[in-house]
Amino acid sequence: GEDVEQSLFLSVREGDSSVINCTYTDSSSTYLYWYKQEPGAGLQLLTYIFSNMDMKQDQRLTVLLNKKDKHLSLRIADTQTGDSAIYFCAESVIGAGTALIFGKGTTLSVSS
Amino acid sequence: DADVTQTPRNRITKTGKRIMLECSQTKGHDRMYWYRQDPGLGLQLIYYSFDVKDINKGEISDGYSVSRQAQAKFSLSLESAIPNQTALYFCATSIRGRKSEAFFGQGTRLTVV
Repeated sequence: GEDVEQSLFLSVREGDSSVINCTYTDSSSTYLYWYKQEPGAGLQLLTYIFSNMDMKQDQRLTVLLNKKDKHLSLRIADTQTGDSAIYFCAESVIGAGTALIFGKGTTLSVSS
Repeated sequence: DADVTQTPRNRITKTGKRIMLECSQTKGHDRMYWYRQDPGLGLQLIYYSFDVKDINKGEISDGYSVSRQAQAKFSLSLESAIPNQTALYFCATSIRGRKSEAFFGQGTRLTVV
């Protein structure tokens, strides 16, 4: 079945870059997503990438996609304490009617 | 006002009780979803609905049922709650299309004692 894997924790210092990695299994995914969940809140879409792209940049965020290895990464430049949250990688899977399948989430902790 | 509203926000119930979690949306989206979040397990899809007459089981539908009363309303029921259903439950919506960006409610924290 479909599976999305992420490391569970990442700890960085303020001002450093953070890189959160994700692997997915469904090669038919057309869009891949990064969602952010702040404490006590629901998930909000951070960014997404279409499967025919290799890279997408949006201000401090850079998404890299390696379709051959089914590997997705999110780089946050100049990480701030406000970036502390859980980050979820997700894919939309044709077999599930394009419902989103999420990874377990990576908890990013930023220390000052 | 929130576009995707879940009620209640918090609920404590006893084992064996029936409980309903409700979700309503003002986004006009045709697709609605229920997810469950457990620490370290991420979000797991319980049920999803692509329109009022189209309801589908997700990864973990056992012990749950749903009702799509209208395009804007999608409720999740636990017929006989058990302690391992203690979790944070999220409703989400999306619009038809391949991009299918999902919009989430604030979540319902359910505790079964």
